Amino acid sequence: NAGVMQNPRHLVRRRGQEARLRCSPMKGHSHVYWYRQLPEEGLKFMVYLQKENIIDESGMPKERFSAEFPKEGPSILRIQQVVRGDSAAYFCASSPPGPGHLNTEAFFGQGTRLTVV
Amino acid sequence: DAKTTQPTSMDCAEGRAANLPCNHSTISGNEYVYWYRQIHSQGPQYIIHGLKNNETNEMASLIITEDRKSSTLILPHATLRDTAVYYCIATKAAGNKLTFGGGTRVLVKP
Repeated sequence: NAGVMQNPRHLVRRRGQEARLRCSPMKGHSHVYWYRQLPEEGLKFMVYLQKENIIDESGMPKERFSAEFPKEGPSILRIQQVVRGDSAAYFCASSPPGPGHLNTEAFFGQGTRLTVV
Repeated sequence: DAKTTQPTSMDCAEGRAANLPCNHSTISGNEYVYWYRQIHSQGPQYIIHGLKNNETNEMASLIITEDRKSSTLILPHATLRDTAVYYCIATKAAGNKLTFGGGTRVLVKP
């Protein structure tokens, strides 16, 4: 059973370009979470999605950032018109559907390191 | 999520037990205590979690005080590969939106 797969592992974008980060959850997992880790800082929650639904996007910047988790295919975190401050490691996590979400743990991918030049 | 407080850093001798404390004095009845670790810029790794009772798995043991205001993660025989930042998180059962604090930077020394 493969773990959470993120690609690309490293992404370089020029200011103003778009960045697309992909996350394939573990098999059987229907919950996906995105976190951002700025250099030398802790992980910050961004968004929580289930298939075709955004459950909690309280950590998403109001502009330029969007996320989706379609019925088929990976979850995508999209950053439009990237700026230098977007340079960070972006981690995706997935968890299985527990009974009422009780007592479950999240499994993290190895992250995508975005560098904006 | 309830606020958690952890020491900023600690050293541990290889082969000895590492005891990592965490305070969560405002934890509510439906919040679990989770522990994750992050080994040098890798993705966080789940270690263990519990609600009231002590828990043990192949990685670690979790001791939760009776009043649930604090807990201790125990790595029974620390190895150099256990060098990481360890995060204690108190979170409600609904979903896994995790609030990572500063964690404890553990350095296992030979």
